[in-house]
Amino acid sequence: DVKVTQSSRYLVKRTGEKVFLECVQDMDHENMFWYRQDPGLGLRLIYFSYDVKMKEKGDIPEGYSVSREKKERFSLILESASTNQTSMYLCATEQGQPQHFGDGTRLSIL
Amino acid sequence: RKEVEQDPGPFNVPEGATVAFNCTYSNSASQSFFWYRQDCRKEPKLLMSVYSSGNEDGRFTAQLNRASQYISLLIRDSKLSDSATYLCVVNDRAGNNRKLIWGLGTSLAVNP
Repeated sequence: DVKVTQSSRYLVKRTGEKVFLECVQDMDHENMFWYRQDPGLGLRLIYFSYDVKMKEKGDIPEGYSVSREKKERFSLILESASTNQTSMYLCATEQGQPQHFGDGTRLSIL
Repeated sequence: RKEVEQDPGPFNVPEGATVAFNCTYSNSASQSFFWYRQDCRKEPKLLMSVYSSGNEDGRFTAQLNRASQYISLLIRDSKLSDSATYLCVVNDRAGNNRKLIWGLGTSLAVNP
């Protein structure tokens, strides 16, 4: 079974803080993704990566950056957290299809 | 028109009932299709891929209708544990240029 581990299930941060969300997978998958999920808006793709040190913007990259220094790890960075970034963040991986998700991080920005 | 549309529900059905959801997609060139299940406050989990010829996995049957651009999910003999949100996912392009389009989900509540 694919194991995708996100560093925190729940996280509370303050406006203006720099926030790091970590995602680690154990299946040597090439492709990794960061989504956020909000009521009424569904899953929206923030960034994705098809290889180490490679990153591509998704549909809503503003206010976020990512890092992929190792194949198994894909980090999402909120450069200066704002309240509208309060959301459920989901990391996913794939090799071919379909995508497999981590447990999610419920992030609250106060 | 939204790229992927689902009836949000909720569908309230008694145990043992048969229930069906549809999902329409706008891009006729869409490549592949999936149903995911998401429990409250949990991550989406793959339920099944949808193949052109239709496919079945136990009580679950998925169908693809390319002419009318929709996929369907049929659940027979509903269990309480089937209560969840069912997400339709469409793969819009081929190869590494592909894009997954997620529906907003259909909520199912199976009642005793």
